[in-house]
Amino acid sequence: QSALTQPPSASGSPGQSVTISCTGTSSDVGGYNYVSWYQQHPGKAPKLMIYDVSKRPSGVPDRFSGSKSGNTASLTVSGLQAEDEADYYCSAYGGRNNPYVFGTGTKVTVL
Amino acid sequence: DVQLVESGGGLVKPGGSLRLSCAASGFSFSNAWMNWVRQAPGKGLEWVGRSRGKIDGGTADYAAPVKGRFTISRDDSKNTLFLQMTSLKTEDTAVYFCTTELYTTITQWGQGTLVTVSS
Repeated sequence: QSALTQPPSASGSPGQSVTISCTGTSSDVGGYNYVSWYQQHPGKAPKLMIYDVSKRPSGVPDRFSGSKSGNTASLTVSGLQAEDEADYYCSAYGGRNNPYVFGTGTKVTVL
Repeated sequence: DVQLVESGGGLVKPGGSLRLSCAASGFSFSNAWMNWVRQAPGKGLEWVGRSRGKIDGGTADYAAPVKGRFTISRDDSKNTLFLQMTSLKTEDTAVYFCTTELYTTITQWGQGTLVTVSS
């Protein structure tokens, strides 16, 4: 199963918003409401930021929000802060034989 | 707090074997679904496999690239997850992360252990 498609990079100034897309197929993103987003700083482990398309784990700022339309999911980071500069990966349930399909990753730069 | 600590990584020749361990604490390990996810240097994340909790049969699933070469096992008495890797290829070079899973979401990640397959 192919990786989900994300833009390689995105950027914004402090205080602005940035939206990252994650495009899959009807067999993964479009087929289930199990889309997650992870933040990864260099040399660190990924951290769960959004799950089940739009839910935030405890402790994740409400500046992070998720949505989905058809085969494309999106992550929006509002009120960008310096510490939001990181790589972001989406993940979607791809069925019993391939439960986790990851996106290609997006590097977010805070200008 | 959930803690996952991987170990066992290192340099191995193509065709060789290696066993990774993941020591877990801070949650009920025996019934937890656990996964291995890897990340090649400078690349994205790739699911490797998962182990179901004891109450769900304790069986494992694998990604196509590693099926037949990698085996996931667990020692519930020691709260430890294992990844036995055989017939290693250069393309298996990656940081291997141990993760927890809850309701079809990978939730917590360990810090990872680097496996380098090179002659």
